[in-house]
Amino acid sequence: GNSVTQMEGPVTLSEEAFLTINCTYTATGYPSLFWYVQYPGEGLQLLLKATKADDKGSNKGFEATYRKETTSFHLEKGSVQVSDSAVYFCALSVKTGNQFYFGTGTSLTVIP
Amino acid sequence: DGGITQSPKYLFRKEGQNVTLSCEQNLNHDAMYWYRQDPGQGLRLIYYSQIVNDFQKGDIAEGYSVSREKKESFPLTVTSAQKNPTAFYLCASSIGQLGGETQYFGPGTRLLVL
Repeated sequence: GNSVTQMEGPVTLSEEAFLTINCTYTATGYPSLFWYVQYPGEGLQLLLKATKADDKGSNKGFEATYRKETTSFHLEKGSVQVSDSAVYFCALSVKTGNQFYFGTGTSLTVIP
Repeated sequence: DGGITQSPKYLFRKEGQNVTLSCEQNLNHDAMYWYRQDPGQGLRLIYYSQIVNDFQKGDIAEGYSVSREKKESFPLTVTSAQKNPTAFYLCASSIGQLGGETQYFGPGTRLLVL
């Protein structure tokens, strides 16, 4: 079946620290992979995505590379800011059925 | 601006009452989805619709109902059969033609039980 396993939080970092949030997946076929961000009390916003192996998605200083050999899509940022404090969700979507499979989310708090 | 709107932002339900959550999109997307989010948890799929006048149950459809009479609209009714309705409800849409596509989310409705 299809599933996403995401690093458990919460994660607390100091401003300008390096961020990694791990995400691994199980999927039938060749999924598209996504990272979404959710700020308190709001809906999910697309952060970045990758649609095939070795693709790198990037946005607002965040990056993630689609690694088929390790079935991973880890989120990284070189220098986090207080405004990055949010919950981050890894997700996959397979070509058939058009459904999404979400991880449980990782809460990030960045302190000044 | 194109996007997804959900209303109301907060909704209160009394015992035994049905309530309806609104979801409208002007993105010309074929597919629409309803998710439930509980505190500290991920998203669980309630219902989805790939085309007008058609919809399918997701993982937790019991106690909920939907309709898809128009492409732009996908309202969710939380019925009295849903015994634990307190949650954050998120509506999403995608182009829906090929699969594997990005889903775009509305701002959510928080449902509380009085």
